[in-house]
Amino acid sequence: GQQVMQIPQYQHVQEGEDFTTYCNSSTTLSNIQWYKQRPGGHPVFLIQLVKSGEVKKQKRLTFQFGEAKKNSSLHITATQTTDVGTYFCAVKTSYDKVIFGPGTSLSVIP
Amino acid sequence: EAGVVQSPRYKIIEKKQPVAFWCNPISGHNTLYWYRQNLGQGPELLIRYENEEAVDDSQLPKDRFSAERLKGVDSTLKIQPAELGDSAVYLCASSLERTGGDYGYTFGSGTRLTVV
Repeated sequence: GQQVMQIPQYQHVQEGEDFTTYCNSSTTLSNIQWYKQRPGGHPVFLIQLVKSGEVKKQKRLTFQFGEAKKNSSLHITATQTTDVGTYFCAVKTSYDKVIFGPGTSLSVIP
Repeated sequence: EAGVVQSPRYKIIEKKQPVAFWCNPISGHNTLYWYRQNLGQGPELLIRYENEEAVDDSQLPKDRFSAERLKGVDSTLKIQPAELGDSAVYLCASSLERTGGDYGYTFGSGTRLTVV
């Protein structure tokens, strides 16, 4: 079946440093979504990427969809303590089912 | 807009007891999902509804889990009997489009179930 991997599993950064998480799929994707879950909270939708090579920005967050549509990245510039949480990618399978990756947990040291 | 409302927020039960979770999705969202999230993992789909029809319940352990969405609005998820391994957060989500689309899924706050 389709597998979704995210690396790294954990990342600790000093406040102000950049952070990147990667999402990799075993199959070509039609789209990819990113969610953020704060500690003790629930996943919150950030963005959806659809086109090959697509790049979207939300303030300090930059999302990219790979040219082959098998991977994606989320980059945060100059992290802040408000960026703490777990970032999940979610991909649609051929059966219209959306599966979530295992997530990357980000800690920001003030 | 109230968002996706779930209750209860927390539930502690003894093993072999029944438990039920309730979800009220965002008004106008025809697609409703129940996910289970274990500690340190991503959400795993249990069941997906399109209106009142369960269109994907392949991941639902049907020997002990059941769900319903009468009238295509509110939904309940039941476990009977609960086992220790069922301890997790049960998340309900709804969406305007079948797989989220440009607005993604909106999740409720979840029910944290502890089975002792």
